[in-house]
Amino acid sequence: GAGVSQSPSNKVTEKGKDVELRCDPISGHTALYWYRQSLGQGLEFLIYFQGNSAPDKSGLPSDRFSAERTGGSVSTLTIQRTQQEDSAVYLCASSLGGHLNTEAFFGQGTRLTVV
Amino acid sequence: AQSVAQPEDQVNVAEGNPLTVKCTYSVSGNPYLFWYVQYPNRGLQFLLKYITGDNLVKGSYGFEAEFNKSQTSFHLKKPSALVSDSALYFCAVNFGGGATNKLIFGTGTLLAVQP
Repeated sequence: GAGVSQSPSNKVTEKGKDVELRCDPISGHTALYWYRQSLGQGLEFLIYFQGNSAPDKSGLPSDRFSAERTGGSVSTLTIQRTQQEDSAVYLCASSLGGHLNTEAFFGQGTRLTVV
Repeated sequence: AQSVAQPEDQVNVAEGNPLTVKCTYSVSGNPYLFWYVQYPNRGLQFLLKYITGDNLVKGSYGFEAEFNKSQTSFHLKKPSALVSDSALYFCAVNFGGGATNKLIFGTGTLLAVQP
């Protein structure tokens, strides 16, 4: 596609339910990132995929959070047993090979509300 | 701890006047520095970056930023503001000097340009 696509754009879920957030990166981009943006705070790094390398999961806030990237393309971020503090905008980004030497393109985000 | 600070939640400037959006970071090795912009209802967009070389970096939409190692700052500037520059601006830093692709973002500064 023309840009990074995320779905759904909005998700309201009940506390304790599991949710899956999807990211379609730009075709050919080998690097994919997930960030979380909470109201009044900056972007919080969650996880980073680069090609076939083991992902950098150092930003995942708890073991309720997991992500996978199938076939080096589409990525799914899963939050199990959601809590109200998980409410935020979840942003996905992709780049040709990491932030350092290439521009990172962000999706519009998924706004997650846990009630 | 590694951190990025944007000391101003909001900056107000009249159209045609110069603007500055401030960013400072904690001291750690050779940081890579970035600015992103988030327009209303749109995803984050890359503006410019400093990796090495000239301290003054020029980016998109007439913006520039100056890396000041002694002051650990990377302030964003533009000589003449436009109403269309009104948006949320994020400073981001990679403290790994290339060893990691994790970016740490500031909390953002809302720029409001009055006509």
